[in-house]
Amino acid sequence: QKEVEQNSGPLSVPEGAIASLNCTYSDRGSQSFFWYRQYSGKSPELIMFIYSNGDKEDGRFTAQLNKASQYVSLLIRDSQPSDSATYLCAVIEGAQKLVFGQGTRLTINP
Amino acid sequence: EAQVTQNPRYLITVTGKKLTVTCSQNMNHEYMSWYRQDPGLGLRQIYYSMNVEVTDKGDVPEGYKVSRKEKRNFPLILESPSPNQTSLYFCASGVMVNQPQHFGDGTRLSIL
Repeated sequence: QKEVEQNSGPLSVPEGAIASLNCTYSDRGSQSFFWYRQYSGKSPELIMFIYSNGDKEDGRFTAQLNKASQYVSLLIRDSQPSDSATYLCAVIEGAQKLVFGQGTRLTINP
Repeated sequence: EAQVTQNPRYLITVTGKKLTVTCSQNMNHEYMSWYRQDPGLGLRQIYYSMNVEVTDKGDVPEGYKVSRKEKRNFPLILESPSPNQTSLYFCASGVMVNQPQHFGDGTRLSIL
């Protein structure tokens, strides 16, 4: 059973619109949640992390966490072609392991 | 410059020939880990280390070994590589597991 689930996409969004990326996780004890962006052929880079229920905003990015529903999302406002990448959700499970979802491929269309 | 350095970046080798992929970080991070990335499967953790001399299995440890004799280095060892270990490998480090992880540039391994 997959521990961290993401829709693999591809998700296609017009430039300037809001891109919404979703992730569910199975470990109710998880406390730390991360979003990484990975361009093709490159290594993952951190976009945002969130530890508490609610929203966390950083520029055009907002992470949303709902622990009761075991759901974390990433919103990208005013999407740009440079946002086209694969977005990886990661969750700490068992206090020591970092588990990634399979990633959602996002394409922003000019 | 803060970085995680992996070597080699690319390697083509044959079944059964032992190989080591090195990983070094200069940020004094406690937590280090190895991942493999395969199409459609995302990043899967192979091994992780909470500190020097402390290592543990991730989700896909079969066929791999690691060691953490120094804080900065965390080599990945394939004692008898097989074709199903052909993949893209990433090393990462962080202050702790619940802090952002910094990734190396990746090592693309092809086992023939």
